[in-house]
Amino acid sequence: SYVLTQPPSVSVAPGQTARITCGGNNIGSKSVHWYQQKPGQAPVLVVYNDSDRPSGIPERFSGSNSGNTATLTIRRVEAGDEADYYCQVWETSNDWVFGGGTKLTVL
Amino acid sequence: QITLKESGPTVVKPTQTLTLTCTFSGFSLSTSEVAVGWVRQPPGKALEWLALIYGDDDKRHSPSLKSRLTITKDTSKNQVVLTMTNMDPVDTATYYCVHRHGSDYSLYGFDYWGQGTLVSVSS
Repeated sequence: SYVLTQPPSVSVAPGQTARITCGGNNIGSKSVHWYQQKPGQAPVLVVYNDSDRPSGIPERFSGSNSGNTATLTIRRVEAGDEADYYCQVWETSNDWVFGGGTKLTVL
Repeated sequence: QITLKESGPTVVKPTQTLTLTCTFSGFSLSTSEVAVGWVRQPPGKALEWLALIYGDDDKRHSPSLKSRLTITKDTSKNQVVLTMTNMDPVDTATYYCVHRHGSDYSLYGFDYWGQGTLVSVSS
């Protein structure tokens, strides 16, 4: 099965840049989607197709994908960005796969 | 405006079959470009995709759970139903209904989610 590996936690001070990685075998050849999930809420799509943003998502959220690592970058981090973040891909044998999630803490 | 809402039992007993209904609005599940599916999340754990059905009745199931899952749609009622057999306490989770568009499986994510429904498996 295809495995997506995320760091369990990332911490960043307000105003700084947070980078959350998602590792997978040759993930650069796949389209990666990112979700934000705040406590007690449903996930929200924040980046799709590696680097596109749905309507209403701030430009502070961006994505990149190359080689074996995809990255979600959040610039000028705010307290309201504190959440769990999940990456996702579609893979031939397993269909839609999620990473294990990363808890972003704003210090 | 697209909305999805899950409904079903909050508690099921081990070995029973779970039936969940997703009632949606704001779109029609009648073409190969639109799909509705299910994702679950055990308490404190990660998201897990379960199944998806397209408007042309193309169905996809998680390989690890395929033998236990059935997904169907009722286009006239704007509903998608998921059944999961032989429930076990490890199946305790919040179950989310999701929407995606695009016939290319790899592109676009799950762009709309229901609020989720917590299902506990306990005797």
